Amino acid sequence: GAVVSQHPSWVICKSGTSVKIECRSLDFQATTMFWYRQFPKQSLMLMATSNEGSKATYEQGVEKDKFLINHASLTLSTLTVTSAHPEDSSFYICSAARGNYGYTFGSGTRLTVV
Amino acid sequence: GIQVEQSPPDLILQEGANSTLRCNFSDSVNNLQWFHQNPWGQLINLFYIPSGTKQNGRLSATTVATERYSLLYISSSQTTDSGVYFCAVESAGKSTFGDGTTLTVKP
Repeated sequence: GAVVSQHPSWVICKSGTSVKIECRSLDFQATTMFWYRQFPKQSLMLMATSNEGSKATYEQGVEKDKFLINHASLTLSTLTVTSAHPEDSSFYICSAARGNYGYTFGSGTRLTVV
Repeated sequence: GIQVEQSPPDLILQEGANSTLRCNFSDSVNNLQWFHQNPWGQLINLFYIPSGTKQNGRLSATTVATERYSLLYISSSQTTDSGVYFCAVESAGKSTFGDGTTLTVKP
């Protein structure tokens, strides 16, 4: 079945540094990918929609300069958390649209900023 | 935007019991999915079910799109079924998740 690979699974970084998270569709092409954020014991909140070859569309309240999204190819989207702070600590999950088959999710990245 | 409500928020079962989880949504949707999030955070797709009924082993789901709800049935529950169950609806090109139902199955 379709697989979306997300790396890294977890990362610890110092305040002020940047972290890049990769999301790859391994056996299908994904023109559209999505990035979600999940706080402990809460639901998934859509951050942005990433379209291959164009600028990402951010949800209201999401800082586009802090959360840089690049969808450079049909199989890769990246989320870079710039100048990370402790409040950016969270679980980040990507997903890829597969037409009539719904959405396939990556395994998530747990980011801890210290 | 579209509202997605899941009930109950928490459910505790004895192993072997059956359960029904509900997902209500406020507007017409293109698609609906049920997911299980395991303790490590991984989201497992259970059903892609914009309408009708599907079954996969001990799990089945029914979506009545005209009445804007979906049900997830878990029969003969096992401890490995524990976790959070989310429904997500697709509308206007994006998915909106409910708040989830946290299921705990006790041995």
